[in-house]
Amino acid sequence: AQSVTQLDSQVPVFEEAPVELRCNYSSSVSVYLFWYVQYPNQGLQLLLKYLSGSTLVESINGFEAEFNKSQTSFHLRKPSVHISDTAEYFCAVRSQGGSEKLVFGKGTKLTVNP
Amino acid sequence: EPEVTQTPSHQVTQMGQEVILRCVPISNHLYFYWYRQILGQKVEFLVSFYNNEISEKSEIFDDQFSVERPDGSNFTLKIRSTKLEDSAMYFCASMGRGEYGYTFGSGTRLTVV
Repeated sequence: AQSVTQLDSQVPVFEEAPVELRCNYSSSVSVYLFWYVQYPNQGLQLLLKYLSGSTLVESINGFEAEFNKSQTSFHLRKPSVHISDTAEYFCAVRSQGGSEKLVFGKGTKLTVNP
Repeated sequence: EPEVTQTPSHQVTQMGQEVILRCVPISNHLYFYWYRQILGQKVEFLVSFYNNEISEKSEIFDDQFSVERPDGSNFTLKIRSTKLEDSAMYFCASMGRGEYGYTFGSGTRLTVV
């Protein structure tokens, strides 16, 4: 079984500041890792994923996440946020092979202030 | 970009009534899912569906729940006799062959009164 912990339920930052949203996971098997974003009144959108290979993965809008196997973490970072990044961010894991179900963290609400 | 479409966006129902939540997955996708999020809690897996049958379900998905793909395009979740604790946002998702991440719909907010 897997579990995901997102330690910060809310993260307020000012525009153009850097941000890190933390995600730690627990699993007895190897996993795939995902970050999803939910903008107000919208569904969950895949932001980026780690499947294998390079531990640093990037999205098209400037976010990146680094898989750290020893620390069982997959933190999401952006060097300079925009007001339009205000949303809720969900970390999720899925086992490699076997079950396809995603196990989600509770989410982190990122609020970017002017 | 292809979308997963869910209807209605918001449904209010009386306790004990049956509800059907509807989803149109992406047309060439083969794997279908329902998740739910009770207010303030995690997004939780309910069921996965492949090749016209349930491939996995959670302990939440009891006999009150059923899923169906009646016509090759729609994917429905039925709750037979709703309870207050079924109030949640329900998300449908689909995935294509060889993919690893799902495409989610915008959700249906179900309120049981």
